[in-house]
Amino acid sequence: AQSVTQLDSHVSVSEGTPVLLRCNYSSSYSPSLFWYVQHPNKGLQLLLKYTSAATLVKGINGFEAEFKKSETSFHLTKPSAHMSDAAEYFCVVTFTGGGNKLTFGTGTQLKVEL
Amino acid sequence: KAGVTQTPRYLIKTRGQQVTLSCSPISGHRSVSWYQQTPGQGLQFLFEYFSETQRNKGNFPGRFSGRQFSNSRSEMNVSTLELGDSALYLCASSLDPQGLLYEQYFGPGTRLTVT
Repeated sequence: AQSVTQLDSHVSVSEGTPVLLRCNYSSSYSPSLFWYVQHPNKGLQLLLKYTSAATLVKGINGFEAEFKKSETSFHLTKPSAHMSDAAEYFCVVTFTGGGNKLTFGTGTQLKVEL
Repeated sequence: KAGVTQTPRYLIKTRGQQVTLSCSPISGHRSVSWYQQTPGQGLQFLFEYFSETQRNKGNFPGRFSGRQFSNSRSEMNVSTLELGDSALYLCASSLDPQGLLYEQYFGPGTRLTVT
């Protein structure tokens, strides 16, 4: 069985300050992990993915995440938030050989204030 | 390259009716997956099709079904609609993994409202 837990349902930051969105995973197999972003009335967009290569993964729009097996975590960070980052973020897990069945976390709503 | 397209974008149905949603994957993508998104349950996997065969299935009742055509386009059907079926239905397409994992690309979704 596999699951992800997003530790915060809402995160609020000021523009220009760092962003940290937390995610812990559980997987019986070697996991593949993703972060997706969903802007209002838009589809899901892949930010970055970890598939057992480098543990520090760089994604689009300045986001990055670090896979920590000992902590079963895959937190998403960005050094400096921008207003356009306001959206809902989903941590997602699957495992190699599991096909395209993705298991989503419950989402973190990121608010960016001036 | 055109993205994943879903039709219709919005739909209103009455309890007890049935509905069919359509998804056209990115050209060359052979795998199509469907997800249901609701405020209460979040994003849940419905099923995945590849080469006209269902390859994976989530934990949904038999009222939810799907199919895939030879051109990789997919449809999902929900029969005997219930109020709880109101949701955003998302379709995603991907290259066939062949044991590897490829990125899934999501469509904009179909917003289904059941009254």
